[in-house]
Amino acid sequence: QVQLVQSGTEVRRPGSSVKVSCKASRDTFATHAFFWVRQAPGQRPEWMGGIIPMSATANYPEKFQGRVSLTADEAASEVFMELSSLKSEDTAVYYCARGMKVADGGGVASFDVWGQGTMVIVSS
Amino acid sequence: QSDLTQPASVSGSVGQSITISCTGSSSDVGAYDYVSWYQQHPGKAPKLVIYDVNKRPSGMSDRFSGSKSGNTASLTISGLLAEDEADYYCSSYTSSDTLAIFGGGTRLTV
Repeated sequence: QVQLVQSGTEVRRPGSSVKVSCKASRDTFATHAFFWVRQAPGQRPEWMGGIIPMSATANYPEKFQGRVSLTADEAASEVFMELSSLKSEDTAVYYCARGMKVADGGGVASFDVWGQGTMVIVSS
Repeated sequence: QSDLTQPASVSGSVGQSITISCTGSSSDVGAYDYVSWYQQHPGKAPKLVIYDVNKRPSGMSDRFSGSKSGNTASLTISGLLAEDEADYYCSSYTSSDTLAIFGGGTRLTV
């Protein structure tokens, strides 16, 4: 069974940065895109960006441009999400999720495997 | 971009059927057949139950079905079980710089 395993809870001060990791199996790492979705307490999920590890190609929505960086370590089959200039509003659970691959080209913007989530708390 | 709108809550009894709506716009739900639905139990990660409007991932119960008309998508759960009690979120591909937008979630009480 495919699993994504994320790093643990982080507590940060406003203005600092946080880096969250997500480890996948080697075969899924090589064949899929990975995305990051955050969910603040009681709020809807919010898409933060995605990366294709084998090409190191990443894209981000305008809202997070310049503050989010997605990277990948092929040797470790891990993807990383770094968020800088943290604010209290960034307090949320951060999930990595695998982009779905369907033979007929469907599954666009669908995420079929999720990590367990990483709680990031930003507080002074 | 605009958000997707869902009812805050729905309820049903064991064995009954319920439907949750998800209203978007001509830039997302109405433009593409890339609507997904996720089930989320408290403290857990979301789980994909429907993709591409009406397709079920491998192993997903056929009690879950999806449809779309215009700018509104719907999720129907038939033969409700107690374990179906959870939050449900719709999501859609968009033509903006955001790959996917989500609805505000619907709390299903069984």
